[in-house]
Amino acid sequence: DSGVTQTPKHLITATGQRVTLRCSPRSGDLSVYWYQQSLDQGLQFLIQYYNGEERAKGNILERFSAQQFPDLHSELNLSSLELGDSALYFCASSGTGYATDTQYFGPGTRLTVL
Amino acid sequence: AQSVTQLDSQVPVFEEAPVELRCNYSSSVSVYLFWYVQYPNQGLQLLLKYLSGSTLVKGINGFEAEFNKSQTSFHLRKPSVHISDTAEYFCAVSDMDTGRRALTFGSGTRLQVQP
Repeated sequence: DSGVTQTPKHLITATGQRVTLRCSPRSGDLSVYWYQQSLDQGLQFLIQYYNGEERAKGNILERFSAQQFPDLHSELNLSSLELGDSALYFCASSGTGYATDTQYFGPGTRLTVL
Repeated sequence: AQSVTQLDSQVPVFEEAPVELRCNYSSSVSVYLFWYVQYPNQGLQLLLKYLSGSTLVKGINGFEAEFNKSQTSFHLRKPSVHISDTAEYFCAVSDMDTGRRALTFGSGTRLQVQP
């Protein structure tokens, strides 16, 4: 158990819909990262938040957005969903420094878009 | 920009045999290197990491990896595998110099340990 929690574990929805994925980092961790794992793209970095502020962006679509709240949990919002958005979405957290080294991953949320 | 190449998509091996999973990277800056393991229907678990110092790194479950800067490689090895090592293994890098810690992953190697 990494100490990172993600809800829900599974999500099934329809094209055009909007969903919210939630992540709680390890106790004391200030950085939260979101990654997408799909069969065709592999594991890709989406976005990082540090202590409530966006720090880095990766291959995140404009239809996707994220935020980190004062209690440090983070949400990833996916809108106007397409079939190709079906994937595993992982959250990871890392330590108290902005650029600390090791990320600990949650169990993931499996999104299926029908 | 960085990239990670895992040369083998699948590695079948018999139980108690040694195994090496290969990883090469390309980067314009110095990097930190990681190996993660993903068991079926689970998240990613850190196996080991290279940050600095000794180029031979020991991790959990008897795995080790060697950083070779001249060959830009970070191959993962285990002298004797068990059935329970069957999983997908990912090599990853992050920037050492810029403070950007987002991970760039390879495409993964599926290790299949057969009895």
